[in-house]
Amino acid sequence: DAKTTQPTSMDCAEGRAANLPCNHSTISGNEYVYWYRQIHSQGPQYIIHGLKNNETNEMASLIITEDRKSSTLILPHATLRDTAVYYCIVRLNDYKLSFGAGTTVTVRA
Amino acid sequence: SQTIHQWPATLVQPVGSPLSLECTVEGTSNPNLYWYRQAAGRGLQLLFYSVGIGQISSEVPQNLSASRPQDRQFILSSKKLLLSDSGFYLCAWTMYHPNEQFFGPGTRLTVL
Repeated sequence: DAKTTQPTSMDCAEGRAANLPCNHSTISGNEYVYWYRQIHSQGPQYIIHGLKNNETNEMASLIITEDRKSSTLILPHATLRDTAVYYCIVRLNDYKLSFGAGTTVTVRA
Repeated sequence: SQTIHQWPATLVQPVGSPLSLECTVEGTSNPNLYWYRQAAGRGLQLLFYSVGIGQISSEVPQNLSASRPQDRQFILSSKKLLLSDSGFYLCAWTMYHPNEQFFGPGTRLTVL
């Protein structure tokens, strides 16, 4: 697996955009970038994934740099319910997700 | 729409006792199914995955086993629990994209 590096924690203000960085400098050409989040005491929730192009869905946007060595998950209007641990995962399309420590995001009123 | 159920929600068991955790998925057929464990303060660890009835792949050696007796039913078992088996056990399913997984509510197991 390509290793990912995420900040341990970050705060953001309610109503503002939250930008979550992830470094994956050893990513290979056929590995995807996945983002999940886990709200306290719940199972993880799939957010978004991408290979090369930027992606957007109803939850978030994923911006992948041209060299694919880093990416940013953007929550456009953070709410208190977005407080969670966010996991950036780089993986082949092969069923075997591996969750690391992630970034603990706290949204403050 | 699809729904995934896990039970029980919480469980306290003595060391050496057996374990059976159940996971069922509704609203889909022939899903890929997964068991994960999250120890306190740690990331998720993939334990088993299944691509069909009776087909189980184990990711880590341990005293746990998994079975898939029906298409939408996935069971995690142990004959004798260890203290180190304590954790948050999560079942997940996927259909089309292998890593776009949908997780159940989990079972919190405490082995005393």
